[in-house]
Amino acid sequence: AQSVSQHNHHVILSEAASLELGCNYSYGGTVNLFWYVQYPGQHLQLLLKYFSGDPLVKGIKGFEAEFIKSKFSFNLRKPSVQWSDTAEYFCAVNGVNAGNMLTFGGGTRLMVKP
Amino acid sequence: GAGVSQTPSNKVTEKGKYVELRCDPISGHTALYWYRQSLGQGPEFLIYFQGTGAADDSGLPNDRFFAVRPEGSVSTLKIQRTERGDSAMYLCASSSLLGSVEQFFGPGTRLTVL
Repeated sequence: AQSVSQHNHHVILSEAASLELGCNYSYGGTVNLFWYVQYPGQHLQLLLKYFSGDPLVKGIKGFEAEFIKSKFSFNLRKPSVQWSDTAEYFCAVNGVNAGNMLTFGGGTRLMVKP
Repeated sequence: GAGVSQTPSNKVTEKGKYVELRCDPISGHTALYWYRQSLGQGPEFLIYFQGTGAADDSGLPNDRFFAVRPEGSVSTLKIQRTERGDSAMYLCASSSLLGSVEQFFGPGTRLTVL
């Protein structure tokens, strides 16, 4: 079985602060990894994804994430957040031999103060 | 092009009633997924269709839940004898290629069982 843990449920930052959201997964094999974002009143949107290759992946809006296989982690980072980054962020894993479903973490609610 | 659409956006029903939730995937997408998201949690997998057939229904909580996709496009999630614990946001997603796990989500249907 696959599972995902997101360490922070709520994060409050001021604009221009740096962001790092933790994500750890559990699965005994090859994985595909995702970060989705849900802005207030909107549906889930893909922020970035890792399938293979370079473990540092870049997504939209200046976000990036690093896959560290030895730590089973896929943390999301952004050097300088903006007020418009206020949203809920979900990490998700798909075990390559576990079917096509995604298993999501519980989400991190980010509030950026202007 | 249009994204994934779901109807209704909100559904309020009474305990014991039957409900149907509809999902229109992105045109041409062969895979369709249903997830359920309870308040404060991440989405949880329910069922996955590849074409007309349910490839994986391991996430359906019990036999009151059933889903169909008769023509390989639109899908309907059916819940019989609704219970208050069924109240949640029901999300639909679709993906384009066989084996692709990059999923595009719809806006969801918020189900409230009184």
